[in-house]
Amino acid sequence: AQSVAQPEDQVNVAEGNPLTVKCTYSVSGNPYLFWYVQYPNRGLQFLLKYITGDNLVKGSYGFEAEFNKSQTSFHLKKPSALVSDSALYFCAVRDAGDDKIIFGKGTRLHILP
Amino acid sequence: DSGVTQTPKHLITATGQRVTLRCSPRSGDLSVYWYQQSLDQGLQFLIQYYNGEERAKGNILERFSAQQFPDLHSELNLSSLELGDSALYFCASSVGSGKTYEQYFGPGTRLTVT
Repeated sequence: AQSVAQPEDQVNVAEGNPLTVKCTYSVSGNPYLFWYVQYPNRGLQFLLKYITGDNLVKGSYGFEAEFNKSQTSFHLKKPSALVSDSALYFCAVRDAGDDKIIFGKGTRLHILP
Repeated sequence: DSGVTQTPKHLITATGQRVTLRCSPRSGDLSVYWYQQSLDQGLQFLIQYYNGEERAKGNILERFSAQQFPDLHSELNLSSLELGDSALYFCASSVGSGKTYEQYFGPGTRLTVT
């Protein structure tokens, strides 16, 4: 069965520093991987996705993610954090051989001014 | 604004009752997804429809049902409500039914069962 793990409930980063939000996955087939962000009292917003091709994926708001097949990871990164990046971040996976979509439990990102 | 609309924004009802949540997808999107978000369970995928047909099923209870109408709007029906059904219910839409499409989420309906 497919699964997604976000090992950190919360990540604190100083403004201007690089940030990483971790995600690991388990699927039986090829993975399709997504990152979404949720601001307070809002629905989720799509940030980026990995389907195939280049392992480094660039997305919205300066975010990027690196797909690592050997480590089954898809970590979200940003070179320089902004206070406005503070939000709840979700990693999601779809298995090429399964119709379901699985979301991680979410990581709350706090950017400290 | 994602272009996905959900009504109502808030719903308060009693145990044992039945409610209907409504979702209109983005213009041009044929797929609709329903999710339940709660503090203890996180974000749970319930069900997906594509162009009126059920496409994928997740952790949807038998007390819950959904449908997608010819105009592509969707409704999620929750019956015999229990306290544990209190949650935020999201609808999302995507252009196609395939697994590579990103989803666009509505603002959610907050359901409180008392």
